Amino acid sequence: DAGITQSPRHKVTETGTPVTLRCHQTENHRYMYWYRQDPGHGLRLIHYSYGVKDTDKGEVSDGYSVSRSKTEDFLLTLESATSSQTSVYFCAISEGQGHYGYTFGSGTRLTVV
Amino acid sequence: RKEVEQDPGPFNVPEGATVAFNCTYSNSASQSFFWYRQDCRKEPKLLMSVYSSGNEDGRFTAQLNRASQYISLLIRDSKLSDSATYLCVVNGAGANNLFFGTGTRLTVIP
Repeated sequence: DAGITQSPRHKVTETGTPVTLRCHQTENHRYMYWYRQDPGHGLRLIHYSYGVKDTDKGEVSDGYSVSRSKTEDFLLTLESATSSQTSVYFCAISEGQGHYGYTFGSGTRLTVV
Repeated sequence: RKEVEQDPGPFNVPEGATVAFNCTYSNSASQSFFWYRQDCRKEPKLLMSVYSSGNEDGRFTAQLNRASQYISLLIRDSKLSDSATYLCVVNGAGANNLFFGTGTRLTVIP
């Protein structure tokens, strides 16, 4: 399997607290993505990165920020967690755009209480 | 309108059956198409890419109909291990990411 790991795997946090999820890859892929998956909505893009310090918003970026200071790490931060951000978060990597599929991490199950 | 739409199912089929899933996409300029498989509480995994000429991988056949903007996945001789959710995936033209359908759930029954 591709070298992509997410941490933590599970987290329970309180409303209003900041939370950071980490995605780490050992494939040296340029592109990294954060998705959330919710029943009835499927996977929705939060943010993505196309290189170190190069990031852009996806369709559900409100309340989230990202950082990529190294090729291998892509961090997702919930600035002030809300119950609507309870979800499963998947990180994905890709060699390039368009014709390249994605490889996903195992996911982080986040519960905001 | 959603970028990708799929029948959520569920499809319950006996072992050995042939089952087909369809998916429609909204952007006529899309160029890349995939089927992913997702097991319960696991991450999605790439099953196969979909090429314009259609392609086959063992018991799985994927086809693309650009005129009607739909993609299909055919599974022959279904196995119990095929039970999963199948996600239709399309790139948005001009977008740097892929759009995922909500998935079609398949259960293969002994």
